[in-house]
Amino acid sequence: KQEVTQIPAALSVPEGENLVLNCSFTDSAIYNLQWFRQDPGKGLTSLLLIQSSQREQTSGRLNASLDKSSGRSTLYIAASQPGDSATYLCAVIRVVNRDDKIIFGKGTRLHILP
Amino acid sequence: EAQVTQNPRYLITVTGKKLTVTCSQNMNHEYMSWYRQDPGLGLRQIYYSMNVEVTDKGDVPEGYKVSRKEKRNFPLILESPSPNQTSLYFCASALQSMHTEAFFGQGTRLTVV
Repeated sequence: KQEVTQIPAALSVPEGENLVLNCSFTDSAIYNLQWFRQDPGKGLTSLLLIQSSQREQTSGRLNASLDKSSGRSTLYIAASQPGDSATYLCAVIRVVNRDDKIIFGKGTRLHILP
Repeated sequence: EAQVTQNPRYLITVTGKKLTVTCSQNMNHEYMSWYRQDPGLGLRQIYYSMNVEVTDKGDVPEGYKVSRKEKRNFPLILESPSPNQTSLYFCASALQSMHTEAFFGQGTRLTVV
């Protein structure tokens, strides 16, 4: 059974620091992996989508990497800002009997200190 | 503006009283799905739909029904709500399954007393 784990569950860092959020999954047979951001009381916003054939994706100050063989993905945030404070979720998508199955991690709650 | 709209945003109801949470998307997406989010359990998929008239169970479908009669709408129906269905619900859509970028609604916070 696919499990997705995000460590740490919560993280506080001073503004301006670079930081890495981790996501691990137990079954490497994934179709793609997505990173989302969730603000309190709000829905999820897709940040980056990495196809299984890709190693990384970049968007602005965000860079996500994927290592299928080791079952890991990282989300790198450069020059963190208070506006980056949110919960970050990763989700893996598998194809099971020709249907997509999505499994979310429980998220890392990030707080950027001004 | 491309968006997924859920209604209502907040709902308090009593056990056993049927309710429907609506979800509508304006992006002509084929794929739509419902999730519930609970503390310590994360997001879990309830039902999903690959296209009109095609729906499938997710990981936690018990106590829920859905329909996909037209592309833009994917209502979530609780025929007889129970307190264990108190949760934060999200609707999402994607162009073609979850292989493509997913767009989420703002969420519906449901309390069943």
